[in-house]
Amino acid sequence: AQKVTQAQTEISVVEKEDVTLDCVYETRDTTYYLFWYKQPPSGELVFLIRRNSFDEQNEISGRYSWNFQKSTSSFNFTITASQVVDSAVYFCALSSRGTGFQKLVFGTGTRLLVSP
Amino acid sequence: EAQVTQNPRYLITVTGKKLTVTCSQNMNHEYMSWYRQDPGLGLRQIYYSMNVEVTDKGDVPEGYKVSRKEKRNFPLILESPSPNQTSLYFCASLKPGYNEQFFGPGTRLTVL
Repeated sequence: AQKVTQAQTEISVVEKEDVTLDCVYETRDTTYYLFWYKQPPSGELVFLIRRNSFDEQNEISGRYSWNFQKSTSSFNFTITASQVVDSAVYFCALSSRGTGFQKLVFGTGTRLLVSP
Repeated sequence: EAQVTQNPRYLITVTGKKLTVTCSQNMNHEYMSWYRQDPGLGLRQIYYSMNVEVTDKGDVPEGYKVSRKEKRNFPLILESPSPNQTSLYFCASLKPGYNEQFFGPGTRLTVL
């Protein structure tokens, strides 16, 4: 069975604070992909990152960084110096070879509120 | 521009009135899916299609139908909508090789 857990339902920070969104996944497949999506108040899903199971390198993109650790089955997302525009719901998701990579299993999402 | 389009974007209807939400992609992707998003549950897959005339159930297929007569189109059909189908619906197509799903803008459905 595949599962993605985002234990943080909602996080509130003040602008310029750093914030980390947690994601823990479960899968028996050895080949899989992990994703993060952003859903702003307008409702669309914005793709942020894809990481495959063989690449544990951390990634940085501007103020965003991702920490992938297979040992703890985690794929955490950090926003540095948060801004009001970062306010959104963030979803972590998993696809795996067992389902032909065609199905995304989503976590329940973390709502991030960044206040001025 | 590569994209997935959905129509309508917003719909309010009444119980039992058949409706169709259209989905179209211009990227020649073989895989397409429908998801629904509900508070506290994230997104869950309703149906998927691996190619023309090939469809299968996802995790929450009850109350829905789909068809795939052309590669670009994957409509979602609610034959007799009920209030528990009030949700935000997303269509997606899969870019092979990259294993990345391209999502449509979403359709917010309310069933009264």
